[in-house]
Parts: sequence; C-alpha cells; structure tokens
Amino acid sequence: RKEVEQDPGPFNVPEGATVAFNCTYSNSASQSFFWYRQDCRKEPKLLMSVYSSGNEDGRFTAQLNRASQYISLLIRDSKLSDSATYLCVVNGNNNNDMRFGAGTRLTVKP
Amino acid sequence: DVKVTQSSRYLVKRTGEKVFLECVQDMDHENMFWYRQDPGLGLRLIYFSYDVKMKEKGDIPEGYSVSREKKERFSLILESASTNQTSMYLCASSLIGLAGFEQYFGPGTRLTVT
Repeated sequence: RKEVEQDPGPFNVPEGATVAFNCTYSNSASQSFFWYRQDCRKEPKLLMSVYSSGNEDGRFTAQLNRASQYISLLIRDSKLSDSATYLCVVNGNNNNDMRFGAGTRLTVKP
Repeated sequence: DVKVTQSSRYLVKRTGEKVFLECVQDMDHENMFWYRQDPGLGLRLIYFSYDVKMKEKGDIPEGYSVSREKKERFSLILESASTNQTSMYLCASSLIGLAGFEQYFGPGTRLTVT
C-alpha cells in the first residue's frame, strides 16, 4: 500500500463546477499536511497547508480527518486556470519525511 | 519570494557518463532536497541536506551522490548514468511554516539517458 494515495483522475469538469479531491495516508503519526499544485512540465508549488480545523482560501477549502486518515481539497466555481495536477503531501514533522501522492489531474473545460 | 534555480531544464546524456545537476536557493534555507518524479509514482526523495557538508540518504539513494559545499548550493551527481535514471529531477529547499515544513521547488531538470 502506498503511503499517500490519491485518485489519479483525470477529473474533467466544466467551468463553474465544484470539484473535490480526497487523499488517504497510512502513517497515523503524520503531523503536517499540504496541497501542492503542479502545472504541466512545471514544478510543484505550495497551494495551501491543511490545518486540523480545516481552512479556506478563496475558492479553495481543505479539510483534515485524522480519525480516517484522509485530507480533502474542495474547489468551488472552477476556472480554466485551475487545470493542473494536485499533489497531496503528508509530513511526519521531520525534514526527510515528506510523502507525496502521485497527484490528481484536473481539467476545467469551457 | 523564494527562488530555487536549477542549472538545466533539459539534459541528454549517454549511459556511463557522469552527470552533475546543480541547484541554488537564495533564501538562506538550511534544508535542501533532491527528488525524482516519475509518472504514477509521485516524488521520491533521493538525498537531503540539513546543513553545509551534511547529507542524508532518502528513499532511493542508489546510483546517486550529493555535495553541499555552500549553504545556497546543493548538487546531485550521477556517477555513471543509466537508462533507468531517465526522469524529472526536482530540487527543493524548505522552511518551517505555521503548518510544518514548507518546500519550495526549482523548475526541474528533465534528464534523458540514452
């Protein structure tokens, strides 16, 4: 079993749709959680950290469920520019312990 | 803004060649990392460094070595390139944010070994 698992997609949604991604992790001792965005042939960029209480940044909402060991990302009112691969990242609070999911690909269509 | 740069965007090398990938960050971060990214596998940690001249193996160090002589520079070395090292190589540096270690990536080097 992979340490961090994501549905690879692709998710193809129309502009304006709401889309949600889930990610499960295997290490119950994990402490930090993030979503990164990666555009085609570009590097991953930090989208948002995920806090225990859940957090929102504009159209993006991240949730953490420690009991079930999953995190989620909700994108409301999708834009064409949201098309990218979204990486779930889990950290056990050590320098070398960042675990990356393989990513979920999103395509937003006009 | 954090800036992480890598010496080459695309590189083609022959089997058996020695390959150097350079990474420089300008934010005085202590921690630097080398990953490779392959389709369906996500990013896998090759080596990381938490200080000058300090290095530790990641999950897949075989066939690689690293050098960190200056704080801002972290080099990845393929001693004798092989075709299974064809991949995207990503360098990162990190700082401790409110939620934990936040990593900032360079643009990547797409290495092809023929």
